[in-house]
Amino acid sequence: GAVVSQHPSRVICKSGTSVKIECRSLDFQATTMFWYRQFPKKSLMLMATSNEGSKATYEQGVEKDKFLINHASLTLSTLTVTSAHPEDSSFYICSASYDPNTGELFFGEGSRLTVL
Amino acid sequence: AQKVTQAQTEISVVEKEDVTLDCVYETRDTTYYLFWYKQPPSGELVFLIRRNSFDEQNEISGRYSWNFQKSTSSFNFTITASQVVDSAVYFCALRDSGAGSYQLTFGKGTKLSVIP
Repeated sequence: GAVVSQHPSRVICKSGTSVKIECRSLDFQATTMFWYRQFPKKSLMLMATSNEGSKATYEQGVEKDKFLINHASLTLSTLTVTSAHPEDSSFYICSASYDPNTGELFFGEGSRLTVL
Repeated sequence: AQKVTQAQTEISVVEKEDVTLDCVYETRDTTYYLFWYKQPPSGELVFLIRRNSFDEQNEISGRYSWNFQKSTSSFNFTITASQVVDSAVYFCALRDSGAGSYQLTFGKGTKLSVIP
């Protein structure tokens, strides 16, 4: 199957700093990528849809200014958590669609953010 | 609105036992896709199966089988002769067929523990 890679897999930062997480589709081009957040023992919540060359579409309740998404190329989307706070600590997972007909999504390994 | 319900939060079985994970969905769409994903302790999501709403044939892949019942809006997943490596959180997900819509609605997941 298609490969989606995230980096870093784990990051610890101090409160008030910004953290960037990268999501890459390694062997296919993805015009659309998705960013999910997963709280402990919870399901995945869609945060935003990242569209190559245009602004991301955010889900209701997700702060655009806090979670900056950039999809500058067909293989790379980045999520920047700005001025991170402990409540932003979570597991962030990106996904990309390989088959536009079925919308089958392939997921990255996830990035665990811990804000101290 | 779409909704996916996985009523079983946690299940424990002894190795070699069979186990069925339940998934019930709600959608107004007549065309949609259903998915199962596995999330091992490492965190990444592993695609297991995709089924479209017009295909009600049950599917078997090795020790895994899926029972799609459109009449009851269920898409249950059975693991036969479970193994310790099957221990993971399993998510059922739903996607409608809207053009350009690749968003998945996830259930809350079922944590499966296979005890040796």
